[in-house]
Amino acid sequence: NAGVTQTPKFQVLKTGQSMTLQCAQDMNHNSMYWYRQDPGMGLRLIYYSASEGTTDKGEVPNGYNVSRLNKREFSLRLESAAPSQTSVYFCASSEVRGSYPENTEAFFGQGTRLTVV
Amino acid sequence: AQSVTQLGSHVSVSEGALVLLRCNYSSSVPPYLFWYVQYPNQGLQLLLKYTSAATLVKGINGFEAEFKKSETSFHLTKPSAHMSDAAEYFCAVTGRGAQKLVFGQGTRLTINP
Repeated sequence: NAGVTQTPKFQVLKTGQSMTLQCAQDMNHNSMYWYRQDPGMGLRLIYYSASEGTTDKGEVPNGYNVSRLNKREFSLRLESAAPSQTSVYFCASSEVRGSYPENTEAFFGQGTRLTVV
Repeated sequence: AQSVTQLGSHVSVSEGALVLLRCNYSSSVPPYLFWYVQYPNQGLQLLLKYTSAATLVKGINGFEAEFKKSETSFHLTKPSAHMSDAAEYFCAVTGRGAQKLVFGQGTRLTINP
């Protein structure tokens, strides 16, 4: 059982370049998330998708776009990378079950370490 | 809306001493609360969670947390620290009907020999 898979694990970009971070989950979860982690800032939500076909902005959406391609996949795109986007990016998925809250839990990928020079 | 505040970005304890990591939350709906641990260069792993059942929750590695609605707190404790507990710990909140999972700033736990 793979859980949440992110690719790539490491990436170096030049300022102005674009790239897409890929995320896929095999747990049939409705909700998926993209976070960035910076020292002293915790995890900040970039975008999330509560269900297939919907996406919403989180706390720090500027400079990013997302696509919920299907229920399994949620990608994050940097159209024109900036040094301020140097960070570790985490994808997560969860299922908040109103009838069975004890099954609520978010699962995380291993992260993508992105450096923009 | 939900938010989480973790008190103390760094906590240092001696091996064998009590570990106490503080988390206070704000939520407009009945909350579901989580503690995650992150070891260096790894992703996040769930330690324990509160989802409206028992208020004292036991997790992995000897950790536990108590949900106190009156204090809007969900502090993480472990009676006796081990060197392997050194990591960063995150408190997070979501809730019934909520769509977002919101994290605190994290607390880095150091264990002194």
